[in-house]
Amino acid sequence: RKEVEQDPGPFNVPEGATVAFNCTYSNSASQSFFWYRQDCRKEPKLLMSVYSSGNEDGRFTAQLNRASQYISLLIRDSKLSDSATYLCVVNMPAGGTSYGKLTFGQGTILTVHP
Amino acid sequence: DTGVSQDPRHKITKRGQNVTFRCDPISEHNRLYWYRQTLGQGPEFLTYFQNEAQLEKSRLLSDRFSAERPKGSFSTLEIQRTEQGDSAMYLCASSSWTARSYNEQFFGPGTRLTVL
Repeated sequence: RKEVEQDPGPFNVPEGATVAFNCTYSNSASQSFFWYRQDCRKEPKLLMSVYSSGNEDGRFTAQLNRASQYISLLIRDSKLSDSATYLCVVNMPAGGTSYGKLTFGQGTILTVHP
Repeated sequence: DTGVSQDPRHKITKRGQNVTFRCDPISEHNRLYWYRQTLGQGPEFLTYFQNEAQLEKSRLLSDRFSAERPKGSFSTLEIQRTEQGDSAMYLCASSSWTARSYNEQFFGPGTRLTVL
């Protein structure tokens, strides 16, 4: 089982649609959670951190369910510029007390069309 | 530009050759990370430094791979005796202590390695 699992998609949605991505992680001791966005042949960029209480940033809403080890990202009113790969990212212990590394999901491809 | 920089951006080499990549983190970021990404996959962790100390290495990092950060600023990643399976994007990231944690990492543009 992968440590962080995402549906790879692709998701093809029209402009203005609402789209949701889901992610599960295997290690219950995981500490921090993020969504990164990666454009084609570019580096990943932090989209938002995910907190237990849920958080919203404009059209983007992220939620965390620690009991189910589940993370979600909701994008409302999709724009053409939202087309990218969305990476679910978890900071999980790697033995001892080290929490240095990030563990990435495979990524979910989103294409927003006119 | 005060972001993470990497050099070179592209490297084509023949199997068996050695290659070295450089990463310059955001100034004052004391943590520096190396990841590798292949097509269709998310980045995979290789190693990270806090200042000049290498704190963790992935099992992915065979003994052909070595990373250094001698003065706690820039870092180099060397791959010896390259193999075709080493072809990937090598990403560097850096972070600093924030109000919450070290964990928000900022990535450089990557070095794309092609081994022929």
